[in-house]
Amino acid sequence: QLVQSGTEVKKPEESLKISCKASGYTFRNYWIGWVRQRPGKGLEWMGMIYPGDSRTTYSPSFQGQVTISADRSSNTAYLQWTTLKASDTAVYYCARRPGDFSNYFVEWGQGTLVTVSP
Amino acid sequence: QSVLTQPPSMSGAPGQKVIISCTGSSSNLGANFDVHWYQQLPGAAPKLLIHGNNNRPSGVPDRFSGSKSGTSASLVITGLQAEDEADYYCQSRDSILTDFWIFGGGTHLTVL
Repeated sequence: QLVQSGTEVKKPEESLKISCKASGYTFRNYWIGWVRQRPGKGLEWMGMIYPGDSRTTYSPSFQGQVTISADRSSNTAYLQWTTLKASDTAVYYCARRPGDFSNYFVEWGQGTLVTVSP
Repeated sequence: QSVLTQPPSMSGAPGQKVIISCTGSSSNLGANFDVHWYQQLPGAAPKLLIHGNNNRPSGVPDRFSGSKSGTSASLVITGLQAEDEADYYCQSRDSILTDFWIFGGGTHLTVL
């Protein structure tokens, strides 16, 4: 099960870190990814992290814009911004990859709504 | 603009069959990467519907099936039901980068 942190309302240029807490499986053994969905729009793959060794992979569209991290001690993955923009307003989902050779997400969090407004 | 192209919307009457297409290119579907499908009900998180082109996770009705050929893939829904009204997304991997995943733009299915 993946349980995400709650709704956030922030101003432009503020920082933010949202979380995704995993349970029911061995956290370190499975990639966790993040997906953005802007209002009324489709899904966008942002990147993933392998908690076992903190390897990350990012979409070029998000590289340098966000940071994906994980804390094995608390079975939690994070998505972080240092400088938010209005265009970051979206629902963000975390999701679990079932295996290294399985290129899909088998389980999703409930989503975290992030609103960035002056 | 998504790398995987889906029709933005489709509709069908209860009991009918609908086919949602997903068109890619030689760097994704044509590079032998599998296609996967997700269903997103209104206000909900996406849910895995089909993985590995034509495999249904436990609990997904057999009304849903998938196929892939070359640079194209299809999601077929037979015996359409009102509860199938949702957004459907195809997803694959692209070879332009290591472990780079892509989604289609999504198809909104209306049950008339």
